[in-house]
Amino acid sequence: SQQGEEDPQALSIQEGENATMNCSYKTSINNLQWYRQNSGRGLVHLILIRSNEREKHSGRLRVTLDTSKKSSSLLITASRAADTASYFCALWGGSGNTPLVFGKGTRLSVIA
Amino acid sequence: DAGVIQSPRHEVTEMGQEVTLRCKPISGHNSLFWYRQTMMRGLELLIYFNNNVPIDDSGMPEDRFSAKMPNASFSTLKIQPSEPRDSAVYFCASTQGASNQPQHFGDGTRLSIL
Repeated sequence: SQQGEEDPQALSIQEGENATMNCSYKTSINNLQWYRQNSGRGLVHLILIRSNEREKHSGRLRVTLDTSKKSSSLLITASRAADTASYFCALWGGSGNTPLVFGKGTRLSVIA
Repeated sequence: DAGVIQSPRHEVTEMGQEVTLRCKPISGHNSLFWYRQTMMRGLELLIYFNNNVPIDDSGMPEDRFSAKMPNASFSTLKIQPSEPRDSAVYFCASTQGASNQPQHFGDGTRLSIL
């Protein structure tokens, strides 16, 4: 299956701590994307990392990609209560009109 | 800028009734996606359009589901007849360019079939 598998399924941390979520997959990819979903809202795109990239940053977010291990991680530094959400990885491994495939997500709770 | 707009936000109806969900993509986007999200199955792609043409409808669960995109600014997802197992949150998303580009999601329609 091309679907990514996020780990852990749920994560609870204190405000100010770092949060790390992982995504593992089985097939080759061209790019991998991370999205956030707040309760009752749609998904919001965070970062896209291409298969020839190893690390990308956006504010407090850091994404790494290890294609040899077929895994990616999303690190949120100095977490805030507002970071409480579900986080999804999405894989694109095809060409042309192949769609993205989303994992089932990690539920992050940041406790103030 | 207006994002992806979905309507209605909530729909409660009895089984057997026809349900129509609506989506207005971001202006200028040429790809549109319909997803269904449940706790059990996560986010499932139902169908997606490119330049108003259905490209992949392999995720449409049954013939009871149909989707149309009559023009670049409007799409519908119809369920007829509806069943309780169709209860879920349905999302529409759009993107500019290829299917691998970041997608912009609407806030979904929460559908409950009694």
